[in-house]
Amino acid sequence: GENVEQHPSTLSVQEGDSAVIKCTYSDSASNYFPWYKQELGKGPQLIIDIRSNVGEKKDQRIAVTLNKTAKHFSLHITETQPEDSAVYFCAAPRGDMRFGAGTRLTVKP
Amino acid sequence: NAGVMQNPRHLVRRRGQEARLRCSPMKGHSHVYWYRQLPEEGLKFMVYLQKENIIDESGMPKERFSAEFPKEGPSILRIQQVVRGDSAAYFCASSPRAVQGAMNTEAFFGQGTRLTVV
Repeated sequence: GENVEQHPSTLSVQEGDSAVIKCTYSDSASNYFPWYKQELGKGPQLIIDIRSNVGEKKDQRIAVTLNKTAKHFSLHITETQPEDSAVYFCAAPRGDMRFGAGTRLTVKP
Repeated sequence: NAGVMQNPRHLVRRRGQEARLRCSPMKGHSHVYWYRQLPEEGLKFMVYLQKENIIDESGMPKERFSAEFPKEGPSILRIQQVVRGDSAAYFCASSPRAVQGAMNTEAFFGQGTRLTVV
């Protein structure tokens, strides 16, 4: 299965600041990169994804960028709010779905 | 279209008993993935199934754990002779086909089953 490394493991930001989480993958044939958000006590929720035919995708305050040459992709959250506090997981699936270790984001009001 | 349904949401078992966790995928989804999550930890892949087939079980312990996804009915994760270390949240996800670059292959998760072994 795909091995995905995710950094940082924890991230604390002030409300209104931006947050960036980065994932690195090893299989150059990977072409789909989803991000999931998991709130306390709930199942992970797909929040944004990107396919390899584009370099960036935005959805309101969240965006994902992809650098296929360097084999990494990043989640960007702008104007963070307390409700963005959660654990975020990335994946680079090739049929199966293995996730990075997760990033615990805390947004301080 | 109902989401991925897992039941029960909470399950308490005594050491040595069997635990059966059910996952009903979204309508039209024939691929199911099971994960285990310990408190404050990540999603550990266990097994990937397609209808009536196990595609990848490399993340599942070889003893006491088994999974199936029959032609009819939900996917079942079965843990025999549970031990305290099996206490965790177990999540399943489903997708209409193998998750990869094609459109409409996104995977969606259920709310999980929290297993407590006493």
